[in-house]
Amino acid sequence: DTEVTQTPKHLVMGMTNKKSLKCEQHMGHRAMYWYKQKAKKPPELMFVYSYEKLSINESVPSRFSPECPNSSLLNLHLHALQPEDSALYLCASSHPRQGLGYGYTFGSGTRLTVV
Amino acid sequence: DAKTTQPPSMDCAEGRAANLPCNHSTISGNEYVYWYRQIHSQGPQYIIHGLKNNETNEMASLIITEDRKSSTLILPHATLRDTAVYYCIVILQGGSEKLVFGKGTKLTVNP
Repeated sequence: DTEVTQTPKHLVMGMTNKKSLKCEQHMGHRAMYWYKQKAKKPPELMFVYSYEKLSINESVPSRFSPECPNSSLLNLHLHALQPEDSALYLCASSHPRQGLGYGYTFGSGTRLTVV
Repeated sequence: DAKTTQPPSMDCAEGRAANLPCNHSTISGNEYVYWYRQIHSQGPQYIIHGLKNNETNEMASLIITEDRKSSTLILPHATLRDTAVYYCIVILQGGSEKLVFGKGTKLTVNP
């Protein structure tokens, strides 16, 4: 299995809702990432997990809460989002000790719309 | 990590070679040049990487200048499915876990 699977593919949520994005990989990668991508902009790093521990938080607002329950799964819990949080949310994984960019595998993303 | 400069957009005719340039004038000796691409509404996809020597794989070729201050990604026979945003990224070998994207080049392959 050489894929990163993200669910759901599309999500529409209200500003008072609580929802979660899910990311799964079975490549044995021990680093997982969340990126946010606005239209016509490059992906921006949000969080990095290494060996199931949060290693980088790029000053992301607390309404985004990441969770890494095990080495194959990464969640992003969403609460009280704003319309400007509407974006494509990408998950990626890599071997953390590899230190090489080609080891990054991306999912197809979740298209989030906040209404 | 060193920064990169790419043209915002390029056009290429189907079947012709697409040559995408990237400037990385502040690159250091142990930093690699990586290329990723992102087809519309999909996640970024690894293409190729190199340090000093030219590299070729089934997708593309990478030409790095002798002074390493610039590089060119070559798609030898572009197809309509190569229409995408191409990102040139400089990464320190064994360095940060971050993969940081610049603005990239939007390549449009025309029939």
